[in-house]
Amino acid sequence: DAGITQSPRYKITETGRQVTLMCHQTWSHSYMFWYRQDLGHGLRLIYYSAAADITDKGEVPDGYVVSRSKTENFPLTLESATRSQTSVYFCASSTGTGGSPLHFGNGTRLTVT
Amino acid sequence: GENVEQHPSTLSVQEGDSAVIKCTYSDSASNYFPWYKQELGKRPQLIIDIRSNVGEKKDQRIAVTLNKTAKHFSLHITETQPEDSAVYFCAAKEGTYKYIFGTGTRLKVLA
Repeated sequence: DAGITQSPRYKITETGRQVTLMCHQTWSHSYMFWYRQDLGHGLRLIYYSAAADITDKGEVPDGYVVSRSKTENFPLTLESATRSQTSVYFCASSTGTGGSPLHFGNGTRLTVT
Repeated sequence: GENVEQHPSTLSVQEGDSAVIKCTYSDSASNYFPWYKQELGKRPQLIIDIRSNVGEKKDQRIAVTLNKTAKHFSLHITETQPEDSAVYFCAAKEGTYKYIFGTGTRLKVLA
């Protein structure tokens, strides 16, 4: 869906570096999410946000930081990247109502060397 | 916590045959069950969904069934085509934000 965009699409970084993945949505959805996708694990929730300035941990939050100063943006920061954080990261948004699906961005493939 | 099991992990069918993917969930409070299709290198995209107060939903060649008592739901694809080849994920939603995903089924449609 064109309404949610992620950048960059690909990123290679070194162990120990800080890296920020960007996510922007134009639907004014209340909820935004960060998932990582790894072979054999499916999609695992890292962090989510119910509204601007409201964020909370998901299933695998260690090593990640998020912020949401504006409704439309939800950046994900790896404070000190590790090889285990090599993954495909998907941002998603949702209205939050009962039968509302997740709308995913195109993903960021991150490689930590 | 909520857990969603998905089977099979891989599925090969001949073009024109039907494909069935099954998921079970653990939390009876789950109220919404979407299915996503993910092509190689692309984002997961919603293909069909069902709410907990509905037993079956159909959209052309795709249908989803839900058995709340048994806590399982299934995706049915009829008259499969090569473009149906992809990874399919089921999910169960509890409350307003908690989506739990299955581990995916790789469907191969053989021409």
